[in-house]
Amino acid sequence: ILNVEQSPQSLHVQEGDSTNFTCSFPSSNFYALHWYRWETAKSPEALFVMTLNGDEKKKGRISATLNTKEGYSYLYIKGSQPEDSATYLCAFNVDSNYQLIWGAGTKLIIKP
Amino acid sequence: DAGITQSPRHKVTETGTPVTLRCHQTENHRYMYWYRQDPGHGLRLIHYSYGVKDTDKGEVSDGYSVSRSKTEDFLLTLESATSSQTSVYFCAIRQPSGNTIYFGEGSWLTVV
Repeated sequence: ILNVEQSPQSLHVQEGDSTNFTCSFPSSNFYALHWYRWETAKSPEALFVMTLNGDEKKKGRISATLNTKEGYSYLYIKGSQPEDSATYLCAFNVDSNYQLIWGAGTKLIIKP
Repeated sequence: DAGITQSPRHKVTETGTPVTLRCHQTENHRYMYWYRQDPGHGLRLIHYSYGVKDTDKGEVSDGYSVSRSKTEDFLLTLESATSSQTSVYFCAIRQPSGNTIYFGEGSWLTVV
């Protein structure tokens, strides 16, 4: 059974602090790892798609790394702002036609 | 903007009644998906479609049916709604290049 785990489940961070959280996935038969950002009452928004071991992607203050050999990805947020409050979802697939397997998300709350 | 609209956006219905959610896309994408999102769970795939009249079950398809009579519309039907189907339903499309999935804004369904 393919399973994606995200930790922590929720996280409270002081505004201005940096933070990171983890997505773990099966290391065999890897094709791609995805990060999405989801704000309540809005649609999930794609952040990154990573396919190669060692990949690092960056979008503003948000960045992600990928380790396919050990089966994990980190998402980093530098200098957290209130607008970063959201649930961050990761998902992976084992080939281009295989459905995405989703983690349960990390809910991030930024305290002003 | 991936040109995805869902309707209705919010609905309250009674147990045992049929409900149909509509997903409409404007860009002729081949792959369309219906997910549900519940607290403590990731996005769970209900059904997906890979072309007109071509559909398949996802991991939580029991109690749901779908139809795709034309490229732009993907309908999700709850034959006889139950309280366990109270959820947020997201429609999504996959672009032909890459694996990124784009989501609609969600349909909030409450079954009382």
